[in-house]
Order: sequence, then structure tokens, then C-alpha cells
Amino acid sequence: ETGVTQSPTHLIKTRGQQVTLRCSSQSGHNTVSWYQQALGQGPQFIFQYYREEENGRGNFPPRFSGLQFPNYSSELNVNALELDDSALYLCASSLVVDGANVLTFGAGSRLTVL
Amino acid sequence: AQSVTQPDIHITVSEGASLELRCNYSYGATPYLFWYVQSPGQGLQLLLKYFSGDTLVQGIKGFEAEFKRSQSSFNLRKPSVHWSDAAEYFCAVGAPGGFKTIFGAGTRLFVKA
Repeated sequence: ETGVTQSPTHLIKTRGQQVTLRCSSQSGHNTVSWYQQALGQGPQFIFQYYREEENGRGNFPPRFSGLQFPNYSSELNVNALELDDSALYLCASSLVVDGANVLTFGAGSRLTVL
Repeated sequence: AQSVTQPDIHITVSEGASLELRCNYSYGATPYLFWYVQSPGQGLQLLLKYFSGDTLVQGIKGFEAEFKRSQSSFNLRKPSVHWSDAAEYFCAVGAPGGFKTIFGAGTRLFVKA
């Protein structure tokens, strides 16, 4: 089975710009979650998509948005980039079974905002 | 609100020595509990999980964890550490039927020869 793949692996943007990060889910998974991991911290939940709809969101402003496509791949969009948006962005796919959400992570996209 | 505390920011152990990484959680009922490992430049890999039943769970790479409800803890253990175990370890909690998994700040493990 294929794992979770993310692109790009690294990118550099300037403050105020917009960025799109992409994620392909593991085969058979129908749910995608996005996490932000700042340097030296644990991953922070941004949002989750199930059946192409957002079904949960963490404490992130509306300039963080996402999409899930019919093939369960996903995008994370961040508008009006700020310096504090510099982080590793992790995508995780899952198949919720009996209420249990077990995440399979990609290697992440490292975003640097200058 | 759910939360996870990993009291140790970093731990150094000698190769071959035993390891215990601490994790305490806050949740109103019995949550789903996880341990993940992250090597430099990599995503997170699931080591083990606890949903219910036997409170001692076995995972990959020789790791195990014990759920103690009375202490709200889910500590990770390994009897003999290998140099390749050097990484960052994250404890996480999820609510049954919920969509969000909450992670601790992580414990970085250093292994000395």
C-alpha cells in the first residue's frame, strides 16, 4: 500500500504571500487531517476533512483553509503569510474505525516565511 | 479540555540501558492514547496505541506502554535501547468518536555509546 505523500518538501515564501501544500492519502483512507509543527513543539491540529467537507478545526484563523478531493487527496492553503507561519506542515490520513482515528503521517512540508 | 503533558524535554540514556518516557493526559473519560516517533526531517510514525482492554500494550521496535487510569498516565518503555532509537517521541490523546488528536510537546531521546 502507498503511504501519505506531501509536496513540496521545502519552500520559502515572503510575508503576505499565499501558499498551497498538497497531500495524497494512504490507499483506503477517507479522512485527512493537517497539523502545524513549529520548531521544538508538538504538532498542532489545524483541521480535518471527511468526504470533502471540513468536520473539525483547531485554533487557526480563517486564512488557513483546505480542500479534500474525491480521490481523498487534500490541499492546505494559507493566505497572507506571517513570519509565525514558518513550520513543518504535516498531513495525516486515516480510516476511522469504531470511532478510533489512527493517523498515518506524511513526511511534511517545511515552510519558511521571510 | 484534553491535554497531554510530557514532563521531560530531553532524556539521555546509554545504549543497552532501559528507557521510560513519561506521559500524562487530561481527559474526562478513557481516551484513545498513542505514542509516535519522529526522526529528524521525517513525519511521525505510530509506535503503539491503546483503546481499551489490557492496559499493557505492545508496539513496534520493541516498545511497550502501560495505561494507568489512576495516574492518568501512559508511559512508554523499552528494556534495551539501541542507538537507532534516538529520535523525538510524542504522546497523543484522542477522544473516542472525535476528530482531533492532541499531541504533547515531545521528548527528545539521545542515546550515548
